[in-house]
Formats: sequence, structure tokens, C-alpha cells
Amino acid sequence: AQSVAQPEDQVNVAEGNPLTVKCTYSVSGNPYLFWYVQYPNRGLQFLLKYITGDNLVKGSYGFEAEFNKSQTSFHLKKPSALVSDSALYFCAVRDGSSGTYKYIFGTGTRLKVLA
Amino acid sequence: DVKVTQSSRYLVKRTGEKVFLECVQDMDHENMFWYRQDPGLGLRLIYFSYDVKMKEKGDIPEGYSVSREKKERFSLILESASTNQTSMYLCASSFALISYNEQFFGPGTRLTVL
Repeated sequence: AQSVAQPEDQVNVAEGNPLTVKCTYSVSGNPYLFWYVQYPNRGLQFLLKYITGDNLVKGSYGFEAEFNKSQTSFHLKKPSALVSDSALYFCAVRDGSSGTYKYIFGTGTRLKVLA
Repeated sequence: DVKVTQSSRYLVKRTGEKVFLECVQDMDHENMFWYRQDPGLGLRLIYFSYDVKMKEKGDIPEGYSVSREKKERFSLILESASTNQTSMYLCASSFALISYNEQFFGPGTRLTVL
């Protein structure tokens, strides 16, 4: 069965510092991995995805994520955090080998960037 | 840009009422999804549809039904609303032919059942 874990409910970081939001996954086949961001009272917005190839994926707003197959992780990173990055972040996985249309989402991590 | 719209941002209903949540997408996507979002539980899939009149149950379909009569529209129906269905409801769509496509989400409907 597919699953996604976001071990931290909240991450606090000072503005200008690097940030990491953690995600680990479990699928039986090839993982398709996604990060989404949700600002208050809004729907989710797509940030980036990993399908295959280079383990470092670059996305919107200066975010990037590193796929690590041996650790089954897909952590979201940004070199220098902005106050405007404060939001709720979701990791999601889809099993690329199963033919299912289902995406499994993590429980979300609230990022708070302090000025 | 893909646009996914939901009929209401906020909705207040009474226990036992029949509730309709509407979702429309304008990018000719085959796949459409309904999720509910609750604090600490993330997004949970209620139903999804991969074609007109086709639907499949997600992880928490009890108490819900769906309708997809046209490709662009996917409706979620609460047959008899209960207080435990108070939640944020998110609709999403995606292009089916490329299996690793991301989903596009609507703004959400915050439903309160009294």
C-alpha cells in the first residue's frame, strides 16, 4: 500500500536561513512524488514533482527537492527562506507502476518563517 | 492556466439536509477528484472520476455520492448531512493521458453542518 509521512507538524525558521520540510514515502512500484503549498483559505498549489532522472528537482518560488531512493525520502528545501513562504506544505505520492489514479497525501507541515 | 472553480467558498447547512458541492474545470481534464481536508489528517480522497459517468470510491466514501454528467463538472453530494461532515472540501483535476501529471485544485468549500 502507498503511504506518505511528514514527521513534523510545524517547522520554524528565521528569514534568510535555509529551510527543509521532510517527507518519506512507501510505494511498491516507481514513485511519482509531488510537493504542494497551501496559503490560508486557498486550495493547494503545485510546487514541483519528481518522476525520474536527476535526483534534485527545481520548482516554483525557488524551492527544490531531493529524491533519495535508499532512504525513500523527498525533502523540500530552499536556500534562503522568506516570510512569504509561511504556509502549509503537503507531500504526495502516486505509485507509477500500479495504474491507479490515486494520489496519497501526507498530513501536512506548517512552515513558519520568522522575520 | 488551468482553472478549477467550486460553487461556494463557505456553506452552512443543517443536519439531515441534502448538500450539493459543485466543481468545474476548464482544461478538458479527464480525471477529477474530491477530497476533504481536516487538521492533522491531511487530504483524504472521497471519490474520483476518470471519465464522464465513471467514478470510483476513494478512502472515505461513506455518506457521500458523486455525479459526473459532463466532462468539466464533478459534483459531490452529501445525502443527509451530519455534523462529522463539517470540513474543508477540495476539488482537483488532472490530465489522464500522462500518468505523472500534477493535480490542479480549486479554492475549497468550507462546509459547516449544524
